[in-house]
Amino acid sequence: DAGVIQSPRHEVTEMGQEVTLRCKPISGHDYLFWYRQTMMRGLELLIYFNNNVPIDDSGMPEDRFSAKMPNASFSTLKIQPSEPRDSAVYFCASRPPTGNTEAFFGQGTRLTVV
Amino acid sequence: AQSVTQLDSHVSVSEGTPVLLRCNYSSSYSPSLFWYVQHPNKGLQLLLKYTSAATLVKGINGFEAEFKKSETSFHLTKPSAHMSDAAEYFCVVRALISNFGNEKLTFGTGTRLTIIP
Repeated sequence: DAGVIQSPRHEVTEMGQEVTLRCKPISGHDYLFWYRQTMMRGLELLIYFNNNVPIDDSGMPEDRFSAKMPNASFSTLKIQPSEPRDSAVYFCASRPPTGNTEAFFGQGTRLTVV
Repeated sequence: AQSVTQLDSHVSVSEGTPVLLRCNYSSSYSPSLFWYVQHPNKGLQLLLKYTSAATLVKGINGFEAEFKKSETSFHLTKPSAHMSDAAEYFCVVRALISNFGNEKLTFGTGTRLTIIP
């Protein structure tokens, strides 16, 4: 398996623009997580899905952020409009349904908003 | 509620000497505990995990960790550090909080390990 695939790996955008980050989880994994990593705040869970349904989105910073999972093999995290303080590395992770298993992380998307 | 405390933000050791990265946790539920490693500009890779089986857990690259419930600790150790161990290490606690798949995953703030040649 190719692992969790995120695209793009790097994104530079101007303030106010819409940004869409993409994630393909590992096949058969029914949990999908979106994390944000910054120097100031470390790793923060933004939202996670179980069987394509958002379970906990309490970590989403504000209404500018939205996440969808239209099917079991694809998820998006959208920021509209983007702001410089959104600059961070965004990680997607997935894990299988059985209980005591770890999450597998993608390589991350480094977002820079100028 | 649950939390993870990594007691050292930065640890430096000489190559060939032991490594100790400390982690304390709190959880209202029976937790699973993990250590992840992140090399510069890379994603997170699982080192090892504790899931209520043996309390001494062996992971990749010679790392191991011991779950001590009485001390609520899950410290990461390695007998002899290698230059390639230089990275950021994260202690993670996960607890299922309902029978409907709800779970809580909490990351520590990370410990940066530097290896001195």
